Amino acid sequence: NAGVTQTPKFRILKIGQSMTLQCTQDMNHNYMYWYRQDPGMGLKLIYYSVGAGITDKGEVPNGYNVSRSTTEDFPLRLELAAPSQTSVYFCASSPLSISSNSYEQYFGPGTRLTVT
Amino acid sequence: RKEVEQDPGPFNVPEGATVAFNCTYSNSASQSFFWYRQDCRKEPKLLMSVYSSGNEDGRFTAQLNRASQYISLLIRDSKLSDSATYLCVVNRPGNTPLVFGKGTRLSVIA
Repeated sequence: NAGVTQTPKFRILKIGQSMTLQCTQDMNHNYMYWYRQDPGMGLKLIYYSVGAGITDKGEVPNGYNVSRSTTEDFPLRLELAAPSQTSVYFCASSPLSISSNSYEQYFGPGTRLTVT
Repeated sequence: RKEVEQDPGPFNVPEGATVAFNCTYSNSASQSFFWYRQDCRKEPKLLMSVYSSGNEDGRFTAQLNRASQYISLLIRDSKLSDSATYLCVVNRPGNTPLVFGKGTRLSVIA
């Protein structure tokens, strides 16, 4: 049981390039999330998904796109990378648990992205 | 008022000390509360859930005060390995993402 895995671990992009950050979970969780965390700052939600085929914007979605074609995968796409997108990107997942009111989120190890 | 507010710290305490963090939340309909721990350059990990009656896990005690809308984390007999950032996390009603506080940084000094 690997949990939440993210690739790549590190990446350097030039301004204007694009890339896809991969995220996979093997816990059969319905909910998946993408966050960014700038140095010394808190987590900011970029996008989230409540199930395959459904995605919603978080607080900082501009410059990013997501898709959720399967329960397991939730890739994050950066188009036209900008220096302001230099950050650590965390993917997370959580089970749908209305009855227990429990929404613990499990995080991947993160992708460190630098745009220069 | 922010949804979740925490004192950013840092809290610098000697080994063996007792330290407490508070966190306030704005949505009175919130039902689920957590403390997460984040080590430097690592992902956040669940430390403990916070239950209405309060709960304890070894040296860690979490409490919830619904009337005043705050939760607390008490760490007794601090260890060097407790040095980390502690994130207060609260749910919003409905199937929406958890709200993470910006965290309180703790440094335990030998």
